[in-house]
Amino acid sequence: SQTIHQWPATLVQPVGSPLSLECTVEGTSNPNLYWYRQAAGRGLQLLFYSVGIGQISSEVPQNLSASRPQDRQFILSSKKLLLSDSGFYLCAWSKGGFSGNTIYFGEGSWLTVV
Amino acid sequence: DAKTTQPPSMDCAEGRAANLPCNHSTISGNEYVYWYRQIHSQGPQYIIHGLKNNETNEMASLIITEDRKSSTLILPHATLRDTAVYYCIVPFSGSARQLTFGSGTQLTVLP
Repeated sequence: SQTIHQWPATLVQPVGSPLSLECTVEGTSNPNLYWYRQAAGRGLQLLFYSVGIGQISSEVPQNLSASRPQDRQFILSSKKLLLSDSGFYLCAWSKGGFSGNTIYFGEGSWLTVV
Repeated sequence: DAKTTQPPSMDCAEGRAANLPCNHSTISGNEYVYWYRQIHSQGPQYIIHGLKNNETNEMASLIITEDRKSSTLILPHATLRDTAVYYCIVPFSGSARQLTFGSGTQLTVLP
């Protein structure tokens, strides 16, 4: 069966510091990968998605970036965090190819920028 | 995504069926209806999805009206652990990369 893991689960970072959230998927190959953010009391916002190694699409302009160095690894980064970057970050995956495939989410990472 | 409308909150007695409605009147003929739920501080959990026919799995049943403009998620025997926010989503056909979560329905299962 397929599993998805992301870490760290919680993170408290000062303004201006860098960020790295990692996500890995097991049990499948060539998945579509996603990063979402959920601000308190609001719905999910798609940040980035990837259909293959090195292929990243950005949905929202901001000071975050994403990379996919391996087929089942997705990384969310920032060089300098802002207070507004605080939130709940979710990595997700779906089977590659057919556009209607179900998206499965990881456990989430709570980021607090202070 | 096709716009969906859900009630902001619902209560259900433990052991009873929970029926969560969703309106999606602008849905296109080849767009699926997906349901997820999110328990506080956890990632969303996939529940079920369907196109035209009613669907059932180990978690829930999905009833889609004949005109496909609305659907109902049914949890047959709600437990306290089913307390969560339930999201009804209709992604763009041709782009499952986009999965826009709205406000959902806060279901509270009461003892």
